Amino acid sequence: RKEVEQDPGPFNVPEGATVAFNCTYSNSASQSFFWYRQDCRKEPKLLMSVYSSGNEDGRFTAQLNRASQYISLLIRDSKLSDSATYLCVVNAGGYNKLIFGAGTRLAVHP
Amino acid sequence: EAGVAQSPRYKIIEKRQSVAFWCNPISGHATLYWYQQILGQGPKLLIQFQNNGVVDDSQLPKDRFSAERLKGVDSTLKIQPAKLEDSAVYLCASSPLSRRQAYEQYFGPGTRLTVT
Repeated sequence: RKEVEQDPGPFNVPEGATVAFNCTYSNSASQSFFWYRQDCRKEPKLLMSVYSSGNEDGRFTAQLNRASQYISLLIRDSKLSDSATYLCVVNAGGYNKLIFGAGTRLAVHP
Repeated sequence: EAGVAQSPRYKIIEKRQSVAFWCNPISGHATLYWYQQILGQGPKLLIQFQNNGVVDDSQLPKDRFSAERLKGVDSTLKIQPAKLEDSAVYLCASSPLSRRQAYEQYFGPGTRLTVT
């Protein structure tokens, strides 16, 4: 079993749509969770951290369910500029070691 | 603030040849990471330095890969000899000093390696 598993994608959605990505992780001792965004042929960049109580940043909402070891990202009112690969990332413990999922590709079309 | 710098951006070599990549982290960042990202996969940590010491190299293929971080700043990653399966993007990242805390990691643009 992979340490971090994500929806395979790709997700093709029209502008304005709401889209949700799911992620599960295997290490119950993980303490920190993130979503990174990676544009085509670019480096990953932090999109947002994921907190236990859930958190929102504009059109983006992240949720964490520790009991189910499940993380989600909801994007509302999709924009063309949201087209990218979204990486689910889990801290594997000591010294800020991160484990990345394979990513889910999102393509937003007019 | 200058970001993480990497060079070269692209490299094409034949199998069994050697190659080296260079990384200069964000000024003041004590932690430096090298990742390998194969097409269609997420980045996989190869080695992590805290200042000039190695804190994790559990996924580094030590028979062919080596890395160093002299003086706790710049770092080089070397592959010798290269195999076809080493074709990937090699990403360098840095973050502030961490002791069991999660800080954002800042990535460089990567080096795209093609082994033929």
